[in-house]
Amino acid sequence: GESVGLHLPTLSVQEGDNSIINCAYSNSASDYFIWYKQESGKGPQFIIDIRSNMDKRQGQRVTVLLNKTVKHLSLQIAATQPGDSAVYFCAERIPGNTGKLIFGQGTTLQVKP
Amino acid sequence: ETGVTQTPRHLVMGMTNKKSLKCEQHLGHNAMYWYKQSAKKPLELMFVYSLEERVENNSVPSRFSPECPNSSHLFLHLHTLQPEDSALYLCASSLGVAGVDTQYFGPGTRLTVL
Repeated sequence: GESVGLHLPTLSVQEGDNSIINCAYSNSASDYFIWYKQESGKGPQFIIDIRSNMDKRQGQRVTVLLNKTVKHLSLQIAATQPGDSAVYFCAERIPGNTGKLIFGQGTTLQVKP
Repeated sequence: ETGVTQTPRHLVMGMTNKKSLKCEQHLGHNAMYWYKQSAKKPLELMFVYSLEERVENNSVPSRFSPECPNSSHLFLHLHTLQPEDSALYLCASSLGVAGVDTQYFGPGTRLTVL
């Protein structure tokens, strides 16, 4: 079926440590994946994306890894800061003409000072 | 700010009321979306509009009625809602629906149905 899941509902890390947030997807036809960050009282904010023809993409302090063999996506945040505290969602795009995204449930990242 | 605004930010309504949610995007995008975000559940796509034409209706009950008068504005008209419709309603826009255009979200309207 179409579902995107995250392995852990909550992740607690120490400030300065690296964070890894995982996501499993089920649709092998999905061609595009996105990570969003949602802070309290705000809408989801785009962080980074990756197409299915890539296995790694780096941004500023963030890296997304895609393993199509096991249908797994991860978001790595380097030197986690208090401002990184939020809910993180992965989403997969179903190929087609409507840009339909299937979202996971989200992982809450808590950064301890 | 993402360039997508939503009003009101909070709304409380009774089951017999009629209300509307408004979304406006200032990004020059051609596609707009309504999502529902409930506690403990993933974001659910409700409607997709491309160039003011509805291209996706994700089995949403008829008590939710979208309207897209132009590519910058999107409305969600609500009538005879149920308490289980209480949720955060998010609007998003993207350049187009084909390809891999990033969707930009507004802050949402927190809806409570009594």
